Amino acid sequence: DAKTTQPTSMDCAEGRAANLPCNHSTISGNEYVYWYRQIHSQGPQYIIHGLKNNETNEMASLIITEDRKSSTLILPHATLRDTAVYYCIVRVLNSNSGYALNFGKGTSLLVTP
Amino acid sequence: DVKVTQSSRYLVKRTGEKVFLECVQDMDHENMFWYRQDPGLGLRLIYFSYDVKMKEKGDIPEGYSVSREKKERFSLILESASTNQTSMYLCASSIPGTGGRVQYFGPGTRLLVL
Repeated sequence: DAKTTQPTSMDCAEGRAANLPCNHSTISGNEYVYWYRQIHSQGPQYIIHGLKNNETNEMASLIITEDRKSSTLILPHATLRDTAVYYCIVRVLNSNSGYALNFGKGTSLLVTP
Repeated sequence: DVKVTQSSRYLVKRTGEKVFLECVQDMDHENMFWYRQDPGLGLRLIYFSYDVKMKEKGDIPEGYSVSREKKERFSLILESASTNQTSMYLCASSIPGTGGRVQYFGPGTRLLVL
């Protein structure tokens, strides 16, 4: 099953970069790192994913360490609307489906004015 | 942009009622999923479908059934609602070729069973 460790909560000032860490020391070589977020009372939202190289899209950047045991999601200029729970996912559940996403508990990010 | 819509945001039903939750996606995705989300338990997969008329059980299928008659629509059915099915229900669809891991979610239906 997924073994990710994220801080329970973090604060970030509006306009500053938010750096959300995730430890995934048991990740295997062909497993991707996925990040989702869930704003209160909404469905989860896909943010970004990567395998080895750093990735960037219009929402965020993903930095994966060379040994792949940890990663950091970076929101370069956090806004109040980025307040959400952020989930780092590195493995699908070993369920009947093989498709389920284990969201874990995530990091609750609070962006303050 | 991918759009996944769910028929209701809030629903109140009585014990024993048959409940239908509808989900529609507009991006021609083959894979669709139904989850429930409960405090402290995260998201749990109920059922998923990888094609029209095809379905697979997830981790907690008991008390639920699904229907996929058209590619864009995936319905979750509570045959006889019970109070322990009070939850947030989330539908998702996925991009082909990602093994289902890049999923786009609807806004959720918060169901209260009295």
